[in-house]
Amino acid sequence: NAGVTQTPKFQVLKTGQSMTLQCAQDMNHEYMSWYRQDPGMGLRLIHYSVGAGITDQGEVPNGYNVSRSTTEDFPLRLLSAAPSQTSVYFCASSYSTGLTDTQYFGPGTRLTVL
Amino acid sequence: GNSVTQMEGPVTLSEEAFLTINCTYTATGYPSLFWYVQYPGEGLQLLLKATKADDKGSNKGFEATYRKETTSFHLEKGSVQVSDSAVYFCALSDLVSGSRLTFGEGTQLTVNP
Repeated sequence: NAGVTQTPKFQVLKTGQSMTLQCAQDMNHEYMSWYRQDPGMGLRLIHYSVGAGITDQGEVPNGYNVSRSTTEDFPLRLLSAAPSQTSVYFCASSYSTGLTDTQYFGPGTRLTVL
Repeated sequence: GNSVTQMEGPVTLSEEAFLTINCTYTATGYPSLFWYVQYPGEGLQLLLKATKADDKGSNKGFEATYRKETTSFHLEKGSVQVSDSAVYFCALSDLVSGSRLTFGEGTQLTVNP
C-alpha cells in the first residue's frame, strides 16, 4: 500500500493564480480531509468528506474548493491564490468517521504564494 | 467549541533525559485524545491514543494518561533518544466532531547527543 499520497511536494504561485493539490489513498478509506499547518497554530481543518459525493466545510474553508468523485481521490482547489494561503497542506484519511479512528496523513505540500 | 493547549516550545533535551510535554483540553462531552508525531519532512503519524478517562496510551516508550479531572493528556518518556527529535501534536475528537480532529499548536522537541 502506498497509503496517502500528495502531489506536488512543493509549489510556488503568484497571487491570483489557481491550482489543484492532489490527494489519493489506496486503503479504501471513507473519510478524507484537508488541513493546513501554520507556525504556532497547529493544524486547522479546511474541508472534509465522509464518502464519495459528500463534502463539507471545516474551520477555514474560504478560498478553497473540494470534490470527491471517487473514494480514492480528494483534490483541493485554490481558486485565486493569496499570500495568506502560504502554508503546508496535509491530506488525511481514515477508515470511517469514528472518533477513535486513526488518521493517516500524507507527506504534505509546501505552498508559497508570492 | 473544542480546544487543545500545549506547552510552549521548543524543547531541547540531552539524550536519556526525561521528557514531559503538557497538553490540556476543553471539550463538550467525553473526547478521545491523541498524540501525533511529525518527523522532519514527513506527515503526521499517530503515536498513541486514549479513548476514555484513566486510559493510558503507550507506544515506543512514550506514555500519556487521560485525566478527566484535570482535562489533561501529558506526554512522557523516561529516556529520550536523538531519533525522538520531532514535532509533537496533541489532538482530540468527540462525538460531535467525529473524525474532525482539533489540534494543539505543536511542540518542537530537539534531543542532542
